[in-house]
Amino acid sequence: EIVLTQSPGTLALSPGERAILSCRASQSFSSNSLAWYQQKPGQPPRLLIYDVFIRPTGIPDRFSGSGSGTDFILTISMLEPEDFAVYFCHQYVSSPRTFGQGTKVEFK
Amino acid sequence: QVRLQQSGPGLVKPSETLSLTCSVSGGSIRGYYWSWSRQSPGKGLEWIGYVFYNGTTNENPSLKSRLTMSVDTSKRQFSLKLHSVTAADTAVYYCAAGNGWNDFWGQGILVTVSS
Repeated sequence: EIVLTQSPGTLALSPGERAILSCRASQSFSSNSLAWYQQKPGQPPRLLIYDVFIRPTGIPDRFSGSGSGTDFILTISMLEPEDFAVYFCHQYVSSPRTFGQGTKVEFK
Repeated sequence: QVRLQQSGPGLVKPSETLSLTCSVSGGSIRGYYWSWSRQSPGKGLEWIGYVFYNGTTNENPSLKSRLTMSVDTSKRQFSLKLHSVTAADTAVYYCAAGNGWNDFWGQGILVTVSS
């Protein structure tokens, strides 16, 4: 099983700042099979990025994904008030598919 | 745009079977992997498994012995049954659709296992 470890656990920032979230895999990926989701309280996760760096239609371009091998990054270039939430990474390269434990982006 | 509507009981007794259904509107029932995940405060998001339109399944080994997943293409529904539940199965259960990643999610149902 591939374990995904996200860091930091909590990121305290202000609107307009840049957020950099890390997701490290316990095994190297053979393909770009990593996604990122945003979750707000009481809501299901929302897909932000898939295949490491692809944004679905409707996701703002301030969200970007990068990385390869075991290290992946989600960058939010300039935080908007609605971006304060929890973010999860998710690998679908092997079974069982797994999620990271989440990074909470909170107001500083 | 695929929409997923979940249904099922919010309370299940220990040792009984948890049964949830996800109804699909929009999109093709043949176009995605139909998956289930759950989320509890102690364990974060846990992938349960998926079922494809032809009935092929892929389950989390930690749950496989207690799990039944199925799809009914005529009703545009897919279902989850988790047998012999315990308090550790208390969680918010989500259905989702995607091609590996999950593009679309149901609203989630909190299922509490308690007598």
